[in-house]
Amino acid sequence: DAGITQSPRHKVTETGTPVTLRCHQTENHRYMYWYRQDPGHGLRLIHYSYGVKDTDKGEVSDGYSVSRSKTEDFLLTLESATSSQTSVYFCAISLGLDYEQYFGPGTRLTVT
Amino acid sequence: GQQLNQSPQSMFIQEGEDVSMNCTSSSIFNTWLWYKQDPGEGPVLLIALYKAGELTSNGRLTAQFGITRKDSFLNISASIPSDVGIYFCAGQLGHTGNQFYFGTGTSLTVIP
Repeated sequence: DAGITQSPRHKVTETGTPVTLRCHQTENHRYMYWYRQDPGHGLRLIHYSYGVKDTDKGEVSDGYSVSRSKTEDFLLTLESATSSQTSVYFCAISLGLDYEQYFGPGTRLTVT
Repeated sequence: GQQLNQSPQSMFIQEGEDVSMNCTSSSIFNTWLWYKQDPGEGPVLLIALYKAGELTSNGRLTAQFGITRKDSFLNISASIPSDVGIYFCAGQLGHTGNQFYFGTGTSLTVIP
């Protein structure tokens, strides 16, 4: 198994509150990604990082921000959570954009 | 975002039967990935395909990169109960450096 952990694994929060999800890897992979998974949709890319302090937007980035201050950690922040952000969030890592991605165990977020 | 159509959406088969599923798109892809996801866990990479026409096996699993580069197929031979789960395809568009897009999954149930 790829050395990827996500925390927390489950979180319930109220609308309007800030939330930060953490992804930690021990593989020293350059690229890290945040996806959300919703019924009826495939995994959809929120943001990705190609190095420390280097990030870019994915197809569903509105309402999310990310930060990467160390190679091993990639944080996803919901500045003001909304019910539409209730989802399962997955972190992934890869050696490069053209390489296969390995996923973490996921964080189930519920916004009430 | 890109549409990746996976079929069938769900399958119910007897243990020991072979399984076939596919993923199609209207766009040309240069990489195809196949994943399996168990409930409450992250997707696990099964097979990666990088060349049109490529046929790759991983145990009882065989995947093919379609010659048109718009589709991919996954076959499972002699299914067993632990094959139960959701199988996802992911494709990277024909230009390197593009993100991966994911299908909505095929749910497989194996009846002992």
